[in-house]
Amino acid sequence: KNQVEQSPQSLIILEGKNCTLQCNYTVSPFSNLRWYKQDTGRGPVSLTIMTFSENTKSNGRYTATLDADTKQSSLHITASQLSDSASYICVVSSTKGSSGDKLTFGTGTRLAVRP
Amino acid sequence: NAGVTQTPKFQVLKTGQSMTLQCAQDMNHNSMYWYRQDPGMGLRLIYYSASEGTTDKGEVPNGYNVSRLNKREFSLRLESAAPSQTSVYFCASSRWAGNGNTEAFFGQGTRLTVV
Repeated sequence: KNQVEQSPQSLIILEGKNCTLQCNYTVSPFSNLRWYKQDTGRGPVSLTIMTFSENTKSNGRYTATLDADTKQSSLHITASQLSDSASYICVVSSTKGSSGDKLTFGTGTRLAVRP
Repeated sequence: NAGVTQTPKFQVLKTGQSMTLQCAQDMNHNSMYWYRQDPGMGLRLIYYSASEGTTDKGEVPNGYNVSRLNKREFSLRLESAAPSQTSVYFCASSRWAGNGNTEAFFGQGTRLTVV
């Protein structure tokens, strides 16, 4: 069964500090791995998408890494801001022909940034 | 830029009532999806439509039906609501390009309570 596991479940950091969120997956076949940010009461919004051949991808203060051999990914947030408070969801995509994206979602890491 | 629009945003139903959740996207995407999000669980796929004219069951389809009305619209129907269907429902769309590297865009969600 395809699974995506994230850690920690929740995290509290002070504004300006860095943090790293982890994602382990067992999804086959693998197409790409995505990190989404979900603000409370909103839909998820994509931060990064990485394919099998990509090790690192950045989006502003967000940097995602992917190790396809160990099936692990991380999301590093630099110089955190209060607006970074949200849930961060790791999503792995597997594709089967023309059947569209098959996304397996992690349960998310809830990040709280305190002043 | 409207993106993915869901209606309604909130709904309370009595057990046994029926209702339809509406979703429309203006990005000319081929694929559309319905997910539910429950506390402590990742988003789970209810139904999806890889392209106009096709629909397929996802992970948790029981109790739901869908209609891909046209390329823009994908509705989710609960024929006889049950308390177990209390959840937050998200519609999403993606431009399926056959290579899996397509971003999924999510609506704002519908918070449904069945009493």
